[in-house]
Amino acid sequence: DVVLTQTPSILSATIGQSVSISCRSSQSLLDSDGNTYLYWFLQRPGQSPQRLIYLVSNLGSGVPNRFSGSGSGTDFTLKISGVEAEDLGVYYCMQATHAPPTFGGGTKLELK
Amino acid sequence: QVKLQQSGAELVKPGASVKLSCKTSGYTFSTSYMSWFKQIPGQSIEWIGMIYAGDGGTGYNQKFKGKATLTVDTSSSTAYMDLSSLTTEDSAVYFCAREAGRYWGQGVMVTVSS
Repeated sequence: DVVLTQTPSILSATIGQSVSISCRSSQSLLDSDGNTYLYWFLQRPGQSPQRLIYLVSNLGSGVPNRFSGSGSGTDFTLKISGVEAEDLGVYYCMQATHAPPTFGGGTKLELK
Repeated sequence: QVKLQQSGAELVKPGASVKLSCKTSGYTFSTSYMSWFKQIPGQSIEWIGMIYAGDGGTGYNQKFKGKATLTVDTSSSTAYMDLSSLTTEDSAVYFCAREAGRYWGQGVMVTVSS
């Protein structure tokens, strides 16, 4: 199975600070159809995951534009430009290029 | 709007089975896929498998073959997951979700305990 390694595992930030989360894959996530099936989710405490980004860099419906995704191949990044209180929780990357879909270990964003 | 409503929390004994449901609305169920996921509290998420409601075709994570069985009832737009021969390692929150995680159910906690 594809292993996704997220760093850091814990991220302490102040409100308004810009932060980045890395997701590195054990294999290239570029599919033969030309798409890269890499997604980002936020899971707030006690809630279901919320999809933020799909196909590396596409913003999900209703997701604030302070979130952005980038990367290619095996290296991907989620950036939050100006953390807000509602952004606190655990962030996960997920790949669906290779079966089975797999998730990273998560990055917990907390207030400093 | 799209809704995925999962059944309530379950407390089951080791060795037993449990059937979880995910009732949907707001989209055409019969031509869609549904995935199921497992999350042990405090840990990451695992993909269990997926079912196509059109013909009941399924795909499973090898890890969950023999543990999970996915079915659908198109007449009620509901997806089901049977979990068999439960052990304490199956205690977790289980989610249904569709469209590559665009829509999620609220999750259901399954606790396996004697």
